[in-house]
Amino acid sequence: AIQLTQSPSSLSASIGDRVTISCRASQVITGSLVWYQHKPGEPPRLLIYEASTLEVGVPSRFSGSESGTDFTLTISSLQPEDFATYYCQQFYNFPITFGGGTKVESK
Amino acid sequence: QLQLVQSGAEVKKPGASVKISCKSSGYTFTSYAFSWVRQAPGQRPEWLGWISAKKGETNYSLKFKGRVSLTTDTSTSTAYMELRSLRSDDTAVYYCGRDRALGSAWSDYWGQGTLVTVSS
Repeated sequence: AIQLTQSPSSLSASIGDRVTISCRASQVITGSLVWYQHKPGEPPRLLIYEASTLEVGVPSRFSGSESGTDFTLTISSLQPEDFATYYCQQFYNFPITFGGGTKVESK
Repeated sequence: QLQLVQSGAEVKKPGASVKISCKSSGYTFTSYAFSWVRQAPGQRPEWLGWISAKKGETNYSLKFKGRVSLTTDTSTSTAYMELRSLRSDDTAVYYCGRDRALGSAWSDYWGQGTLVTVSS
């Protein structure tokens, strides 16, 4: 199974900060990655699909990029509603696998 | 408005089975597929399997193969996940997700989650 290693596992940031979350795949998955935002008691929210395409309705401060087996989710200017846990997921092949998550907390 | 509404929380004893429903509305049920994922406390999400809504084609995680069954009922636009021989480490929140396209294997909409607690 393809392993996804997310880093950091948690971070503290302030409103307006630029936040970068990394996800490294154990093999080439050629853009087959999505990013989700997850808040307690809510269903996951799709942010980015195919590594860099912004889902409809998601603010443009979210962006995704890919370089080889490294994927990055960037929040350009952190807003209060962005405090949550973020997960990457690969869909290159079965079994589908997820990263370990990055919890974004208020500094 | 697209919605996925899952059945309510369950408490089961070890060895029992649980069947969770995921009722869809607001789109053409048979044009899509579903993924089922669970998340135990403090753990990363874990994929259980995938099913196409119309044909019922499935793909299961090897970890759960033999214990999990995914089905759909096109007459009620409902997907189901049954997990058998429950153990304490099956305690988790279970989610259904509608996949963006039949071959995509990633979900754009999710149900609200169903907490399954396995305890003697």
